[in-house]
Amino acid sequence: GESVGLHLPTLSVQEGDNSIINCAYSNSASDYFIWYKQESGKGPQFIIDIRSNMDKRQGQRVTVLLNKTVKHLSLQIAATQPGDSAVYFCAEKGYSTLTFGKGTMLLVSP
Amino acid sequence: ETGVTQSPTHLIKTRGQQVTLRCSSQSGHNTVSWYQQALGQGPQFIFQYYREEENGRGNFPPRFSGLQFPNYSSELNVNALELDDSALYLCATRLTGTTEAFFGQGTRLTVV
Repeated sequence: GESVGLHLPTLSVQEGDNSIINCAYSNSASDYFIWYKQESGKGPQFIIDIRSNMDKRQGQRVTVLLNKTVKHLSLQIAATQPGDSAVYFCAEKGYSTLTFGKGTMLLVSP
Repeated sequence: ETGVTQSPTHLIKTRGQQVTLRCSSQSGHNTVSWYQQALGQGPQFIFQYYREEENGRGNFPPRFSGLQFPNYSSELNVNALELDDSALYLCATRLTGTTEAFFGQGTRLTVV
């Protein structure tokens, strides 16, 4: 069936390091893949998306890579800051729904 | 700030009761989706409304129902509450044809 999952439940990094959060998906038919950040007590916040016909997209301090051959998505955060500490979800966009994975908690220590 | 407001922020209900959760969004955001997020899990799609009609539904029973109003507000109604309905309920709105969904802060529902 359709699923979007993450490899690591928790990632701990030092401030200033680069962070890489990974995600595997199984449904190849999605047009978009999206990364969300969810801080404690808040709803998910859009970070960046990527169309299925692209393999890389860059934003401010973030880069998303899409490897359709192995159905793998990653989010790279450059110069990670304490404010980046949150749970990160990848999601795939279908016609009327977002299918989320379970999430990876990113912990940034000063 | 996402411009999406949910109320109430927290709610405690007894098993078997009914609950109504509310969401208001930015003007022009005529697509609204509701999600259920259990503790430690990703959000699960409940249903979506576009121009006041349901146009997509996830794997949730009929006791989960919704309404969307012309003023871009919406409701999620859950009847016959069960203990497993305890979760964070999120609404997300977007402009039709765009991919960016704006989430509210959620309503934490506890069923006892």
